[in-house]
Amino acid sequence: DAGVTQSPTHLIKTRGQQVTLRCSPKSGHDTVSWYQQALGQGPQFIFQYYEEEERQRGNFPDRFSGHQFPNYSSELNVNALLLGDSALYLCASSSGTGLSQETQYFGPGTRLLVL
Amino acid sequence: ILNVEQSPQSLHVQEGDSTNFTCSFPSSNFYALHWYRWETAKSPEALFVMTLNGDEKKKGRISATLNTKEGYSYLYIKGSQPEDSATYLCAFKGGTSYGKLTFGQGTILTVHP
Repeated sequence: DAGVTQSPTHLIKTRGQQVTLRCSPKSGHDTVSWYQQALGQGPQFIFQYYEEEERQRGNFPDRFSGHQFPNYSSELNVNALLLGDSALYLCASSSGTGLSQETQYFGPGTRLLVL
Repeated sequence: ILNVEQSPQSLHVQEGDSTNFTCSFPSSNFYALHWYRWETAKSPEALFVMTLNGDEKKKGRISATLNTKEGYSYLYIKGSQPEDSATYLCAFKGGTSYGKLTFGQGTILTVHP
């Protein structure tokens, strides 16, 4: 079992650019959540995708958008990058309705640096 | 705004010491409390999901307790080893949230040989 995978591992962009990060969930999982971890803080919830729809969203601007594909993999897109978007972006997958107490399994993250 | 606090922020112990740290969370609308261990350059690893007041979970030398009425959870490590060095994160899940986990800032544990 490959677990949750993310690509790329590292990325450098400049202000104003756009970026796409990718996530493949653990085998058998249908739900993908995205988190942003800034330096010195815990991960912050961006949004969750289930059945190709955004099911819940955290306190992030519309510049952050996502997509889930029929094979349950997901993309996180960030437009008009700001210096403050520099962070580690984590993807987590889980199974079930999301209302149960299932564990979220995390990938290793994508480190984004905005210059 | 949901507040999940962890203390201490960092901890240095000697190999063989036992240690514990705290996670505080809202006592209302509780659904679950997650603990993760995160080693440098790896993925966060799930340790426990705790749901019932008074719950106690154990995995090897690591155990955790839960008090939902007062809004805290303790994580204990017995006989710390250098390989226990990691950031320990707790995450709160409220009853009205589908999957959103609200994380504390983590406790960084360093175990010295």
